[in-house]
Amino acid sequence: ETGVTQSPTHLIKTRGQQVTLRCSSQSGHNTVSWYQQALGQGPQFIFQYYREEENGRGNFPPRFSGLQFPNYSSELNVNALELDDSALYLCASSEHPGTGNSPLHFGNGTRLTVT
Amino acid sequence: EDQVTQSPEALRLQEGESSSLNCSYTVSGLRGLFWYRQDPGKGPEFLFTLYSAGEEKEKERLKATLTKKESFLHITAPKPEDSATYLCASSGGGGNKLTFGTGTQLKVEL
Repeated sequence: ETGVTQSPTHLIKTRGQQVTLRCSSQSGHNTVSWYQQALGQGPQFIFQYYREEENGRGNFPPRFSGLQFPNYSSELNVNALELDDSALYLCASSEHPGTGNSPLHFGNGTRLTVT
Repeated sequence: EDQVTQSPEALRLQEGESSSLNCSYTVSGLRGLFWYRQDPGKGPEFLFTLYSAGEEKEKERLKATLTKKESFLHITAPKPEDSATYLCASSGGGGNKLTFGTGTQLKVEL
């Protein structure tokens, strides 16, 4: 069973630039969620994708956007990067969109540094 | 708004010294209470899901319990390899998100 994989593992960008992070979900999982984890904090929900549609969103501005592809892989795009966007970005997949029924399985994240 | 608070922030134990981590939650219509383990530089690793008050689950030296307001992660006779940050998260209402606490950083020493 292949787990959740994310790329790249590390990334350094300059304020104002745009970034795309990628995620392959665990086999058999059709739902992908993205979380942002600042240093010393718990992960915060950005959004979830199910059947290629956004299926819930946290308190993040529109410059955070995403895509899900027919093979259930996903991308997170962040425009106009700000210094506060520096964090570990985690992708998680699950069998169903409802997290009460199916636990999330996380990848090891992409560490984004904005200078 | 859902809230999850974990205590203590950090805990240092000697090998074999049992203890408990606390997770207090406020959520409308709990759908699940989750425990994860996170090692440095890694993503959270799923441990347990609890669905209703009174439920208990065990895995090796870990046991998770749930009440209507709190969850506890009991660690019995811990080993150095149990050192990690333990995260608690709730899922509730009609949303699809997990609300995480800030975690308890556990260090087990020889």
